Amino acid sequence: ETGVTQSPTHLIKTRGQQVTLRCSSQSGHNTVSWYQQALGQGPQFIFQYYREEENGRGNFPPRFSGLQFPNYSSELNVNALELDDSALYLCASSAGQGEPYGYTFGSGTRLTVV
Amino acid sequence: AQSVTQPDIHITVSEGASLELRCNYSYGATPYLFWYVQSPGQGLQLLLKYFSGDTLVQGIKGFEAEFKRSQSSFNLRKPSVHWSDAAEYFCAVAPYSSASKIIFGSGTRLSIRP
Repeated sequence: ETGVTQSPTHLIKTRGQQVTLRCSSQSGHNTVSWYQQALGQGPQFIFQYYREEENGRGNFPPRFSGLQFPNYSSELNVNALELDDSALYLCASSAGQGEPYGYTFGSGTRLTVV
Repeated sequence: AQSVTQPDIHITVSEGASLELRCNYSYGATPYLFWYVQSPGQGLQLLLKYFSGDTLVQGIKGFEAEFKRSQSSFNLRKPSVHWSDAAEYFCAVAPYSSASKIIFGSGTRLSIRP
């Protein structure tokens, strides 16, 4: 059974650019959540996708958007990058919508905005 | 609003000594409670979770946590730490009505003294 895979592992972008981060869910999981973890902080919930529909969103501006595909893989898109967007972006998958079984996290994508 | 407080930013204990990491949450009802561990440059690994029932929860790697409703606490314990336990530990809650959104504390960094 494969876990959650995120790509790329590291990324450097310039302020104002756009970025796409990718996540492959663990086999059998249909729910994907994205989190932003700034240096020295706990992860903060960005949004969740369940069966290709957004299912809950945290306090992030609309320039943070996402997609979930029929195979339950997911993308996080960030437009008009700002320096404060520099963080570790974590993807987590679970077996169902709202199921309190915890989530399987990927190792993250480290985004640096310069 | 729900919140999680981990009052200790950094703790150092000697190898073989006991460990207790503190966590307090703020929420109107009993939420789902989790402890995650994060090694440097890695994603989050679930140590244990509490939903209901026995208030003493056993997890992986010899960790346990006790839910105390009267104190709104969910402290993590280990009777004897190993050097490999050095990592960042996050307490997290998910509202009962929406376990899809996990709220993390700011983390406690654990160092092990040889």
